[in-house]
Amino acid sequence: AQSVSQHNHHVILSEAASLELGCNYSYGGTVNLFWYVQYPGQHLQLLLKYFSGDPLVKGIKGFEAEFIKSKFSFNLRKPSVQWSDTAEYFCAVCQGGKLIFGQGTELSVKP
Amino acid sequence: NAGVTQTPKFRVLKTGQSMTLLCAQDMNHEYMYWYRQDPGMGLRLIHYSVGEGTTAKGEVPDGYNVSRLKKQNFLLGLESAAPSQTSVYFCASSKGLAGVWETQYFGPGTRLLVL
Repeated sequence: AQSVSQHNHHVILSEAASLELGCNYSYGGTVNLFWYVQYPGQHLQLLLKYFSGDPLVKGIKGFEAEFIKSKFSFNLRKPSVQWSDTAEYFCAVCQGGKLIFGQGTELSVKP
Repeated sequence: NAGVTQTPKFRVLKTGQSMTLLCAQDMNHEYMYWYRQDPGMGLRLIHYSVGEGTTAKGEVPDGYNVSRLKKQNFLLGLESAAPSQTSVYFCASSKGLAGVWETQYFGPGTRLLVL
């Protein structure tokens, strides 16, 4: 069965630091990949998604993610984080119409 | 266009009580989903529906039932609540299963506490 691993459970950064959150999945076939963000007290919002084509995907608020098929990875990056990026970030893989989520990474950005 | 809405926002139950959570979407989406979110475990799929009148089990279906009598509504029922069902419940919907249609849109969540 498909599984998704997010190795960083809690990341603490200062403003302007660069961010990279890891995401690995287990299935080797064709996959659709997502990053969702959940700001404190809010519901999940789509940050970016990969279906096909350019493996470097740009999302909202300056986030981007790179799909590396050989490494089964879809890491999320941002060159310079802001305090408002404090949130929980979820990687997800869609298989057969069902989203399989990673455990989530809590990002705390210090002003 | 409200997207996906959920009622209630918060509920406290005693062990053994029953309740129904309502999810509604106004995007004419075929597919609807119920997830539970627990700390350190991400979101786990409880049940889902691929169309009006159909339901299917997800990863953690035990203790829950669902119904999709109308395309826009997806109900999640707890017949006899247990403390292990204390969680935040999210509903989601998507247009389809392929490509860009797979994107799921989430509701604001229902926080449930079972004492």
